[in-house]
Amino acid sequence: GAGVSQSPSNKVTEKGKDVELRCDPISGHTALYWYRQSLGQGLEFLIYFQGNSAPDKSGLPSDRFSAERTGGSVSTLTIQRTQQEDSAVYLCASSLGLGGVAKNIQYFGAGTRLSVL
Amino acid sequence: KQEVTQIPAALSVPEGENLVLNCSFTDSAIYNLQWFRQDPGKGLTSLLLIQSSQREQTSGRLNASLDKSSGRSTLYIAASQPGDSATYLCAVTVGGTSYGKLTFGQGTILTVHP
Repeated sequence: GAGVSQSPSNKVTEKGKDVELRCDPISGHTALYWYRQSLGQGLEFLIYFQGNSAPDKSGLPSDRFSAERTGGSVSTLTIQRTQQEDSAVYLCASSLGLGGVAKNIQYFGAGTRLSVL
Repeated sequence: KQEVTQIPAALSVPEGENLVLNCSFTDSAIYNLQWFRQDPGKGLTSLLLIQSSQREQTSGRLNASLDKSSGRSTLYIAASQPGDSATYLCAVTVGGTSYGKLTFGQGTILTVHP
């Protein structure tokens, strides 16, 4: 597609439910990133996929959070047993990959606004 | 742990003014630094990327400088316009196994009024 696509754009869920957030990166981009933006914490890194390498999960806040990237393209971020503090905007980005200025630039989707009641 | 700070938190200027946004980072061992713009309810748009070996980058009315040794970057906006109103975010990446992971500042909310 022309840009990074995220769905849904808004998600309201009840505390304790599981949610799945989807990200479609720009075609041909080998790197994919998830970030979380909340009022109190600003923008925080969650997880990073690069090609077929093992993902960098160092930013995931707890074991309730997980992410997959299937076929080197679409990614799903799953939050189990959601808590109210999980309410935030979840942003996905993609880039061409490693090496060189152009390959470093990350292109962001519009985000999924998650509200946990 | 890398920390990124942006000053000021908010800025309101009349149209036409030149302005400077500041960004500082605690660990000078960065791979690159990016400036982003975020409009309300939207994702981030990359404005400029400066590699650690570079001193500045320019795009139109925007100029970003980098002083890696002092841990500082500035974004200069010339002849500001109401359409420049947005939140501006500074972010750094480090190399090695953390490559690609952006650490963001809290942002500067810019309002340019006619």
